[in-house]
Amino acid sequence: ETGVTQTPRHLVMGMTNKKSLKCEQHLGHNAMYWYKQSAKKPLELMFVYNFKEQTENNSVPSRFSPECPNSSHLFLHLHTLQPEDSALYLCASSQLAGGLPEQYFGPGTRLTVT
Amino acid sequence: DQQVKQNSPSLSVQEGRISILNCDYTNSMFDYFLWYKKYPAEGPTFLISISSIKDKNEDGRFTVFLNKSAKHLSLHIVPSQPGDSAVYFCAVNQGGKLIFGQGTELSVKP
Repeated sequence: ETGVTQTPRHLVMGMTNKKSLKCEQHLGHNAMYWYKQSAKKPLELMFVYNFKEQTENNSVPSRFSPECPNSSHLFLHLHTLQPEDSALYLCASSQLAGGLPEQYFGPGTRLTVT
Repeated sequence: DQQVKQNSPSLSVQEGRISILNCDYTNSMFDYFLWYKKYPAEGPTFLISISSIKDKNEDGRFTVFLNKSAKHLSLHIVPSQPGDSAVYFCAVNQGGKLIFGQGTELSVKP
């Protein structure tokens, strides 16, 4: 695998379900990000992890729970979501500490909450 | 209030002509600017960037121009090709975080 991978690519879940999104980066980066993209809106930053430590939570509701066990893996645990949470969820990675700020994105998970 | 704006939601260009995508930002302290390209069902792909110490950066058919006094960024694609049809996002760096515009959908017609 190369670059940034995300699974699953598509997910349909009910409001009472619990599911998790997975992201893995194969670029040797030390920072990882979760973004949400809703239709016709800019990408919204949700969470930032630097060297496995969460450094940013952009006022995200607690029904979204991130986990970063190491610099290569990032999860987003979902529970009791609302229909308005339906969106494309994108993971990205970058190299901090002397690197340029370019972030590299995975293909995203298209989430539908019914 | 949005710090990064792409005021044109869509742009249609004939193959072989120039495509010009525009982006405005509000904060003169931003120091690094990026363009991403996104195809449907894929994540954004990094295209080209420019530091605030420059006013132009070129990479093949893609050139980014930065006008700091106007707080304006533009991406020129020449010649445009049908494979360039995608959504283009500009982004600015703020302390290691990227702030994105809402995107412009470019359609290049054969």
